[in-house]
Amino acid sequence: EVQMVESGGGLAQPGGSLKVSCAASGFTFDKYWMSWFRQAPGKGPEWVANIKEDGSQQYYADSVRGRFTISRDNAKNSLSLQMNSLRGDDTAVYYCARTGTTHHWGQGTLVTVSS
Amino acid sequence: DIQMTQSPSTLSASVGDRVTITCRASQTINSWLAWYQQTPGEAPKVLIYKASTLESGVPSRFSGSGSGTEFTLTISCLQPEDFATYYCQQYNSYSMYSFGQGTRVEIK
Repeated sequence: EVQMVESGGGLAQPGGSLKVSCAASGFTFDKYWMSWFRQAPGKGPEWVANIKEDGSQQYYADSVRGRFTISRDNAKNSLSLQMNSLRGDDTAVYYCARTGTTHHWGQGTLVTVSS
Repeated sequence: DIQMTQSPSTLSASVGDRVTITCRASQTINSWLAWYQQTPGEAPKVLIYKASTLESGVPSRFSGSGSGTEFTLTISCLQPEDFATYYCQQYNSYSMYSFGQGTRVEIK
């Protein structure tokens, strides 16, 4: 069974940093692009970033480019999102997803940015 | 950037009704469109991918159609568990994905 389990969410200060991670299982991790999505309270989902199978290409939404970094460790079947210079509007549930012809999402981890 | 315009934003319907939700892309996305269902407190769940392919385990009353820039999600016979919010999402290029603003299906 394809499964993604996110971790690392919590409370961060404005201007601070946080790293969320995703443990993937049930599929050949290094054969798929992977994504991060997020959903702010009461809002629709938003795409955040994508990373190629071998990690050689990354793409970011305009709202996070230059502040967030997506990375992966294929040996550990893991995906990460390093978030710097956090702002209040980064408060959201962050979801890891296997992307491709279809998508499989995890259950998400909540990140709250507040003083 | 590709903008996705979804309509209506809210839809009032009764159990047993046939409902249709429309999604329009600002430029062609071929068939790279997914439909999601979301209930409060849960992660979005894929119903349809590649515009018309039913995700495994999703009831056959859900169907998707369209290509290019115009897409529809149809629920043929609305069930109580179908009252939820639905989103379309384009994934034509790995450089940028985007979602429609959502359609809330509520009980009439």
